[in-house]
Amino acid sequence: NAGVTQTPKFRVLKTGQSMTLLCAQDMNHEYMYWYRQDPGMGLRLIHYSVGEGTTAKGEVPDGYNVSRLKKQNFLLGLESAAPSQTSVYFCASSNPWNLDRSSYEQYFGPGTRLTVT
Amino acid sequence: TQLLEQSPQFLSIQEGENLTVYCNSSSVFSSLQWYRQEPGEGPVLLVTVVTGGEVKKLKRLTFQFGDARKDSSLHITAAQPGDTGLYLCAGGDVFTGTASKLTFGTGTRLQVTL
Repeated sequence: NAGVTQTPKFRVLKTGQSMTLLCAQDMNHEYMYWYRQDPGMGLRLIHYSVGEGTTAKGEVPDGYNVSRLKKQNFLLGLESAAPSQTSVYFCASSNPWNLDRSSYEQYFGPGTRLTVT
Repeated sequence: TQLLEQSPQFLSIQEGENLTVYCNSSSVFSSLQWYRQEPGEGPVLLVTVVTGGEVKKLKRLTFQFGDARKDSSLHITAAQPGDTGLYLCAGGDVFTGTASKLTFGTGTRLQVTL
């Protein structure tokens, strides 16, 4: 199993350009998440999905859109990149919570480092 | 908005020393997780605690969830260079019937030298 994979690993954009980050998981997880990580701020949730065809806003959704057309894939789009979106982006997946606390675990991909100039 | 503050932000110690990292909030969480992240990789789960006052041990690491479920601590005994990394706490809340949303702390960067 590859777990959670993200493409690309690195990307440099100019202000105003658009791009899509791809996340794929092979663990048959129901839930998927997109986070951004900035120095001194931990990880902040951008958008999440509780199932195929459904998405919802997280803590910092402005400037981003997402789609979950297939259960195993979760796409993050930047329509018009801004320097404030320079960050490391992480995708994660998990299964529904139950009394078995192991299902609380979120599995993370290796991240995409994005620089917007 | 729920916030989780970690302290200290940075910690540089020598091999064999003990250390404690704190994770504090004014909010109550249904669970508390600790992750470790190494450079160029995503966070990896170390432990989950769900009961107030719960203590869990993972080899040289001891995790405690506060009685009121607002805070947590991570204690490392006899630190080793392999413990080097970014430690993140994450508070969990059930936001649908079965889904848990995590609020991450600000992180503690630990460096253990020989």
